[in-house]
Amino acid sequence: GEDVEQSLFLSVREGDSSVINCTYTDSSSTYLYWYKQEPGAGLQLLTYIFSNMDMKQDQRLTVLLNKKDKHLSLRIADTQTGDSAIYFCAEPPGGYQKVTFGTGTKLQVIP
Amino acid sequence: SAVISQKPSRDICQRGTSLTIQCQVDSQVTMMFWYRQQPGQSLTLIATANQGSEATYESGFVIDKFPISRPNLTFSTLTVSNMSPEDSSIYLCSVVGLGVRDEAFFGQGTRLTVV
Repeated sequence: GEDVEQSLFLSVREGDSSVINCTYTDSSSTYLYWYKQEPGAGLQLLTYIFSNMDMKQDQRLTVLLNKKDKHLSLRIADTQTGDSAIYFCAEPPGGYQKVTFGTGTKLQVIP
Repeated sequence: SAVISQKPSRDICQRGTSLTIQCQVDSQVTMMFWYRQQPGQSLTLIATANQGSEATYESGFVIDKFPISRPNLTFSTLTVSNMSPEDSSIYLCSVVGLGVRDEAFFGQGTRLTVV
């Protein structure tokens, strides 16, 4: 089975950059995703990267993909208190199948 | 995209009772997924629910404990039976295949506390 690993906790000061890392095992995924779970809420798709890309930038978010090392990262620039949440990386095996989620990283933003 | 309505959003239940969670999707989908998220943990897939057939359960989950119904292509229910405090979790329904990137869409979750 697939294992998707993340560090459990990250604390940053407001205005700093946050980097959340993820290591995955299934290299056949077409896309890799980042989901955000705010307290008391379900998961929402935050961003994604196509597997043939190395980097994707979306406003304050930068996703980096190293396929050789099977490493995915999410960088949040100018981190705000509203970014406090749990972030999950995820990969689908492709086509209407279940999605495998990482262990989740809890981001705490200190004002 | 998809809009998924899940209810109840939260409940506090007595041990030994059962709770049925409903999930309604605004589009027809072939497969719906039920996840459990224990406190401080990631998501664990309970089962995959296909319309017109029995649900497929993951290792560690059984139909007697988590019966699932899938009467049509937009609706599913998950029942947590004979509950114990260890069943206290967030339960989430999810669908895949309604977005252009195979992304998963989630309901807002049901926060269950068993006392």
